[in-house]
Amino acid sequence: EAQVTQNPRYLITVTGKKLTVTCSQNMNHEYMSWYRQDPGLGLRQIYYSMNVEVTDKGDVPEGYKVSRKEKRNFPLILESPSPNQTSLYFCASQGGEKLFFGSGTQLSVL
Amino acid sequence: ILNVEQSPQSLHVQEGDSTNFTCSFPSSNFYALHWYRWETAKSPEALFVMTLNGDEKKKGRISATLNTKEGYSYLYIKGSQPEDSATYLCASPLYNQGGKLIFGQGTELSVKP
Repeated sequence: EAQVTQNPRYLITVTGKKLTVTCSQNMNHEYMSWYRQDPGLGLRQIYYSMNVEVTDKGDVPEGYKVSRKEKRNFPLILESPSPNQTSLYFCASQGGEKLFFGSGTQLSVL
Repeated sequence: ILNVEQSPQSLHVQEGDSTNFTCSFPSSNFYALHWYRWETAKSPEALFVMTLNGDEKKKGRISATLNTKEGYSYLYIKGSQPEDSATYLCASPLYNQGGKLIFGQGTELSVKP
């Protein structure tokens, strides 16, 4: 089954404790991206990747890192999370014009 | 800067009503217009991707039209059902800037039985 697998679904952490949200797709898509969704602000792009070892900033990249060492994986890294990064995060890959989204990660930073 | 805007922000209708909402976008450098349906506690799912002026797409009771010259797309739902309750997102990609997809804020539809 074609899918984007994102983990974990829920995460509660404390300020400053490094965390990684994983994202993997099995559709051989080149383009992958990360979004955060906040009330009243819609989906905003954090980072995107056009292919292996090719990443670029989206609209709200501050406080985040990504890597694309393999085509299927695109992890989102928060080196030192802060409360303003509490949000709902989605990973997506793009094939045939459409975006395929992961199931989302609800992150709370205390 | 490309702005994608949606209206209304929220919509409450009765079961059986037909409804429509709007996505507007700058008409210059247009490439494509996406519509996604996002149910609560789930992830967004693609409804349509439209590229041609005058294009009209249909999926069951949901259809969409596209006017690239004036920069808008309409999404129509005929005979709304409670299961149509969701947030409907539109988005347009900026391929001349490396593929950045800009989303509107969404229209939240609530269909009451």
